[in-house]
Amino acid sequence: QVHLVQSGAEVKKPGASVEISCKASGYMFTTYPIHWVRQAPGQGLEWMGWVHTGNGITKYSQKFQDRVTLTRDTSATTAYMRLSSLTSEDTAVYYCARDSDFDPWGQGTLVTVSS
Amino acid sequence: QSVLTQPPSASGTPGQKILISCSGSSSNIGRNYVYWYQQFPGTAPKLLIYKNNQRPSGVPDRFSGSKSGTSASLAISGLRSEDEADYYCAAWDDNLSALFGGGTKLTVL
Repeated sequence: QVHLVQSGAEVKKPGASVEISCKASGYMFTTYPIHWVRQAPGQGLEWMGWVHTGNGITKYSQKFQDRVTLTRDTSATTAYMRLSSLTSEDTAVYYCARDSDFDPWGQGTLVTVSS
Repeated sequence: QSVLTQPPSASGTPGQKILISCSGSSSNIGRNYVYWYQQFPGTAPKLLIYKNNQRPSGVPDRFSGSKSGTSASLAISGLRSEDEADYYCAAWDDNLSALFGGGTKLTVL
């Protein structure tokens, strides 16, 4: 069974960076890209970008282009999302999801940015 | 403000059929597949419809999707109380970026 398991909640101060992991299991990791999507409290879904798990090529949303870095470790079947220069507006639940269908999703990781 | 437009809310009574719309443009819905997701409070979204009208295994056939031009719709027939959730449409654009609608909160009266 395909599973994506994300790392735990984070609390960060403004200006800091955060890195979230997404551990994949149940399928060949390098076959499908991993996407990252975030959801601010009470808001909708917002796509951040994707990483090709085979060759590491990335595509970022213009909104996050300058602050987000997506990587992967094929030996660990894990994808990572690093977001820098955090502000309170980055407080959100961050999800990873497999492939262009976004199926399945990780359980989500709450990132709280507060001084 | 989302590029894909959905009504913020929808409602229906048990047994009824409801439609949730999703409006885009030629560069996204018009030339690419549409996807629908269901999300319950405090949980991750779940794929409901992919490639305009395909249902993943396990999704009841009460859920169906359609697309025409630059708009798409999610239909839920035989509405049940457990269908009360948020529903999001999504589509890729020609620049290989994913777009989501703002979401529709469905209330079963």
